[in-house]
Amino acid sequence: QQPVQSPQAVILREGEDAVINCSSSKALYSVHWYRQKHGEAPVFLMILLKGGEQKGHDKISASFNEKKQQSSLYLTASQLSYSGTYFCGTTGPPGAGSYQLTFGKGTKLSVIP
Amino acid sequence: GAVVSQHPSWVICKSGTSVKIECRSLDFQATTMFWYRQFPKQSLMLMATSNEGSKATYEQGVEKDKFLINHASLTLSTLTVTSAHPEDSSFYICSARDPGLPQETQYFGPGTRLLVL
Repeated sequence: QQPVQSPQAVILREGEDAVINCSSSKALYSVHWYRQKHGEAPVFLMILLKGGEQKGHDKISASFNEKKQQSSLYLTASQLSYSGTYFCGTTGPPGAGSYQLTFGKGTKLSVIP
Repeated sequence: GAVVSQHPSWVICKSGTSVKIECRSLDFQATTMFWYRQFPKQSLMLMATSNEGSKATYEQGVEKDKFLINHASLTLSTLTVTSAHPEDSSFYICSARDPGLPQETQYFGPGTRLLVL
């Protein structure tokens, strides 16, 4: 089942913050966040496995809610290099095919000077 | 992060020819690799899961006889698009799962852009 991402697109000025959401109607085993720049392959940002988990790197962080049905990606003090399309990918419970990622439709983030 | 390479980066071919794309994990052994296809401004769609030493598992709607996958070693998976047609033109991306990292962490190759004339 494809996760739902919101918003579809967002435009920020440098230094502004943004939140991208990824949700599912069913409990998820894990959530993966990737950023893809035009014409390039997705780059892994982070993975969340536990309900209530939060993690971050530099000024990009993410959370996974207790019910494991929603994850949010937080970008603070955005930089021009943050521009790209952000995808969340989700997996189901352990078992056959559990490593397969199902991606949301993506959120296009544009950071302008 | 782990490094995954793809070759070639891009290819242009005539309709009816076959094209082989290689996906390599450079600094880890990948028992499982995945092949995705991405059309312009769309999300990544999983085509198949490639398991070392066994047959690939194809997603619904993906023709296994058209998209041949071989995962002969722990560091190499190949995707061959047989008798390619213009509608096969797309961005093909592989990813590999690093078994040494949190269970489902996948790293993507740089992608191969295929244009069939």
